[in-house]
Amino acid sequence: EPEVTQTPSHQVTQMGQEVILRCVPISNHLYFYWYRQILGQKVEFLVSFYNNEISEKSEIFDDQFSVERPDGSNFTLKIRSTKLEDSAMYFCASIRTSGLGDTQYFGPGTRLTVL
Amino acid sequence: GQSLEQPSEVTAVEGAIVQINCTYQTSGFYGLSWYQQHDGGAPTFLSYNALDGLEETGRFSSFLSRSDSYGYLLLQELQMKDSASYFCAVRGTGSTLGRLYFGRGTQLTVWP
Repeated sequence: EPEVTQTPSHQVTQMGQEVILRCVPISNHLYFYWYRQILGQKVEFLVSFYNNEISEKSEIFDDQFSVERPDGSNFTLKIRSTKLEDSAMYFCASIRTSGLGDTQYFGPGTRLTVL
Repeated sequence: GQSLEQPSEVTAVEGAIVQINCTYQTSGFYGLSWYQQHDGGAPTFLSYNALDGLEETGRFSSFLSRSDSYGYLLLQELQMKDSASYFCAVRGTGSTLGRLYFGRGTQLTVWP
């Protein structure tokens, strides 16, 4: 069964450093998302991406964040200058269409730890 | 905006039945989804209700009442492996179509 993959599984970085989280969505999916989950809290939407541009972003997704689809398979989230409060699990998700019955499939996540 | 309320935790014994409720307040409504998440893992899709009534998938069932803005996930014949967090979620509407809004999750603990 096709699945969303993410690398790395765990990233440790120093405050102020840049990190890039990578995702490979399911191959025939067209809509891509990043979510984050701070330990013990709910999953929160960051950004959605369709047709090589951002469709929507949340208030969390400030100028420190950017997304890119550099080729036909990868979807990346960059945090330019990490802060302690960026420590969280970051999940990538994809969906085939925007149809209401379609399901978002989540990747296994990247645990980001900012020291 | 969208808000969803669900209990923070539920406990039950193996073989029992448990119901996890979710009430929501949304501007527009495109269905209620349920996701399971084991510790440190990805949210895994369980079920989706767009219309009123019960949807059954094996041991799991999900119910929706749009007039009451209420749904529930029913887990039958509980097994130890069902211990996890369960999230209800709704789709965004209009300009936010596609994004999911999650509840805070219900931690289910299954005891032997």
